[in-house]
Amino acid sequence: AQKVTQAQTEISVVEKEDVTLDCVYETRDTTYYLFWYKQPPSGELVFLIRRNSFDEQNEISGRYSWNFQKSTSSFNFTITASQVVDSAVYFCALSEAVSGGYNKLIFGAGTRLAVHP
Amino acid sequence: DAGITQSPRHKVTETGTPVTLRCHQTENHRYMYWYRQDPGHGLRLIHYSYGVKDTDKGEVSDGYSVSRSKTEDFLLTLESATSSQTSVYFCAISEQPETQYFGPGTRLLVL
Repeated sequence: AQKVTQAQTEISVVEKEDVTLDCVYETRDTTYYLFWYKQPPSGELVFLIRRNSFDEQNEISGRYSWNFQKSTSSFNFTITASQVVDSAVYFCALSEAVSGGYNKLIFGAGTRLAVHP
Repeated sequence: DAGITQSPRHKVTETGTPVTLRCHQTENHRYMYWYRQDPGHGLRLIHYSYGVKDTDKGEVSDGYSVSRSKTEDFLLTLESATSSQTSVYFCAISEQPETQYFGPGTRLLVL
């Protein structure tokens, strides 16, 4: 069965520390997409990144970077020099095509990151 | 940011009453989705739509119905609200089926 596991329920760091959020997924498909979403205390869900299964290049966007490794079925997210504004719940998600052209989005349980000043 | 609004943003209702939540988009995206978010369960898909009048069930559809008469609007109806439907409801949209963008959410409390 398709599954996304975020083993870290909560992480607490001090500002300026680097932090890595782990995501491990299970799928039988060869074509799929992986996502990270951020949910700040205000409650909205913010799209951060999408990766398709054929692109294993790591990506960097400012202080954020993502490491995709098919060999270990992992898609980890690193925040460098964390800031208080990074405090949020972060969700990893897996998207797979199902019949009718619809893509099913399967979410992990989320990791709550608290960054303290 | 994708233009998605949800109304109402907060609602308190009583068990047994019907409730309708509205999702409105200004992006003309084909796909629309309703999720609920509950502690310990993450986000779970209730229903989705792949076009006007084209809808299908998600993993937790019991007790919910949807309608989509216009591209921009996707309504979620709880025919007879129960306390187990107390949750935060999110609407999402996507043009291609892959990337979904979420609305601000609706907090529903069923007493």
